[in-house]
Amino acid sequence: EVQLVESGGGLVQPGRSLKLSCAASGFTFSDYNMAWVRQAPKKGLEWVATISYDGSSTYYRDSVKGRFTISRDNAKSTLYLQMDSLRSEDTATYYCARLLILRPAFDYWGQGVMVTVSS
Amino acid sequence: DIQMTQSPASLSASLGETVTIECRASEDIYNGLAWYQQKPGKSPQLLIYNANSLHTGVPSRFSGSGSGTQYSLKINSLQSEDVASYFCQQYYDYIFTFGSGTKLEIK
Repeated sequence: EVQLVESGGGLVQPGRSLKLSCAASGFTFSDYNMAWVRQAPKKGLEWVATISYDGSSTYYRDSVKGRFTISRDNAKSTLYLQMDSLRSEDTATYYCARLLILRPAFDYWGQGVMVTVSS
Repeated sequence: DIQMTQSPASLSASLGETVTIECRASEDIYNGLAWYQQKPGKSPQLLIYNANSLHTGVPSRFSGSGSGTQYSLKINSLQSEDVASYFCQQYYDYIFTFGSGTKLEIK
């Protein structure tokens, strides 16, 4: 059974950093591109970043470029999101998601982890 | 970046009815369109990918269609468990964009 379990969320002050983790199991992690998608309270979904199966390519939405870094450790089957210079508008539930092979859609999602940026 | 316009924002229908949700892209996305269902307090679940391909395990009452800039999700024979928010998502040039969502309720 495919499982994605996020951790590392919490309350953080503006300008500080936080690192999210996503532990994957039930599939060959190194075969899949992975992503982070977020959802502000009572709002819609917003793609944050994507990383290729081998970590060689990364892509970000404009509003997080230069502040967030997506990475992965295929030996540990774990996805990461390093978030620096956090802003109040980054407050959201962050989901780890797996991308279908050769298809641009997210077929499995974690349960999500809440990040609150507030003083 | 490509913008997605989703309509309606909310929808109320009776059990057994057929409902349609639409998404319009600001430019041609060449069928790079997916649909998701999100129940309250839960993670999104993939319904449709490549505009019209039903994801594994999704009931056949869900279907997707469209091309170019116009796409739609149809739910036949509405069931009580279909109460949820529905989002479209496009992919083009390494960027993903979601529609604003449609909240579906039972009348």
